[in-house]
Amino acid sequence: EPEVTQTPSHQVTQMGQEVILRCVPISNHLYFYWYRQILGQKVEFLVSFYNNEISEKSEIFDDQFSVERPDGSNFTLKIRSTKLEDSAMYFCASSVLAGADTQYFGPGTRLTVL
Amino acid sequence: DQQVKQNSPSLSVQEGRISILNCDYTNSMFDYFLWYKKYPAEGPTFLISISSIKDKNEDGRFTVFLNKSAKHLSLHIVPSQPGDSAVYFCAASAKGGTSYGKLTFGQGTILTVHP
Repeated sequence: EPEVTQTPSHQVTQMGQEVILRCVPISNHLYFYWYRQILGQKVEFLVSFYNNEISEKSEIFDDQFSVERPDGSNFTLKIRSTKLEDSAMYFCASSVLAGADTQYFGPGTRLTVL
Repeated sequence: DQQVKQNSPSLSVQEGRISILNCDYTNSMFDYFLWYKKYPAEGPTFLISISSIKDKNEDGRFTVFLNKSAKHLSLHIVPSQPGDSAVYFCAASAKGGTSYGKLTFGQGTILTVHP
């Protein structure tokens, strides 16, 4: 069964460093998403991406964040200058359609900012 | 952001009995609802969904009920199995406008099924 994959599973970085989290969405999916879950809190939407453009972003997704689909398979989330409060699980998801369609999630990347 | 609420942080059920997980929402623009199951250190796994044009959807042991007038949905698991023990998240997406499938999640309910 096709699945969303994410690398690395765990990333430890120093405050102020740049990190890139990688995702490979399901191959026939067209919509891609990033979510995060800070320990003990809800899963929160960060950004959606379609046709090589950001479709929607939350207020969390500020200028420190960017997304890219550098080739036909990868979807990346870059955090330019990490802060302590960026420590969280980051989940990538994909879907065939937007709206009334199922999003399938990857296993997540645990980001720890020291 | 309290648009989707799961008021029960935890639920404990005996194996073979019914588990009922509840979810309330406030945004009347939500038109698609999903339940996900999550184990520690894993991503959410899709279980079942329902569109706002329906009031019930069934898939094997899982049934989701939607009461639009009450802005309430529930997930029934019958019979419950120990392997169902996990965190269950309710999520919703809104129709139209600039929404491109953004999911709004509840806080989750920890289900424990005892043998």
